[in-house]
Amino acid sequence: EAGVVQSPRYKIIEKKQPVAFWCNPISGHNTLYWYRQNLGQGPELLIRYENEEAVDDSQLPKDRFSAERLKGVDSTLKIQPAELGDSAVYLCASSPRILETENTIYFGEGSWLTVV
Amino acid sequence: AQSVTQLDSQVPVFEEAPVELRCNYSSSVSVYLFWYVQYPNQGLQLLLKYLSGSTLVESINGFEAEFNKSQTSFHLRKPSVHISDTAEYFCAVSDSGGYQKVTFGTGTKLQVIP
Repeated sequence: EAGVVQSPRYKIIEKKQPVAFWCNPISGHNTLYWYRQNLGQGPELLIRYENEEAVDDSQLPKDRFSAERLKGVDSTLKIQPAELGDSAVYLCASSPRILETENTIYFGEGSWLTVV
Repeated sequence: AQSVTQLDSQVPVFEEAPVELRCNYSSSVSVYLFWYVQYPNQGLQLLLKYLSGSTLVESINGFEAEFNKSQTSFHLRKPSVHISDTAEYFCAVSDSGGYQKVTFGTGTKLQVIP
């Protein structure tokens, strides 16, 4: 079974430039998450989708970050314009329906962003 | 709101020695607890989890963790570590009811010394 797929794995951009990350979750997983992991820190939730609906985006910096999951499957996270402080690993994850008892989140390998 | 504290940012240990990675949590409701492992340049992988039942949970590669409600702890242990256990370990907590938002600790880097 294929895991969570993310691209690109690595991206280096200049500040003020835009960047986009793509994620394809595990087949059949309704819940999709975007996390940001700063160096030396644990992952912090940016946004959570249930199918195509963003049900928790309280931690998403909406002035420069946007996300979409148009058909309830794959998702895109965009930053425009990027700032130096956005350098981090952006992790996509998915899980089965939240009402199930097994609440396991499956992570992708991450997209490593460096803003210079 | 819940939170997770991992007091040790780095833990060096010699190969074949035992190790304990500490995790304490705070929550006003019942919780689920998790340990995730992150190998270099990879995403997080679930190592083990406590949902209910027995307070001692085990992973397939020899790690175990014990849920201690009175001490609000979920420490991770292994009696004999291997070089391949070198990684960063994250403790995480979620509320057991409704939407189970998962909160991660800051991680502990386990360095196994040959």
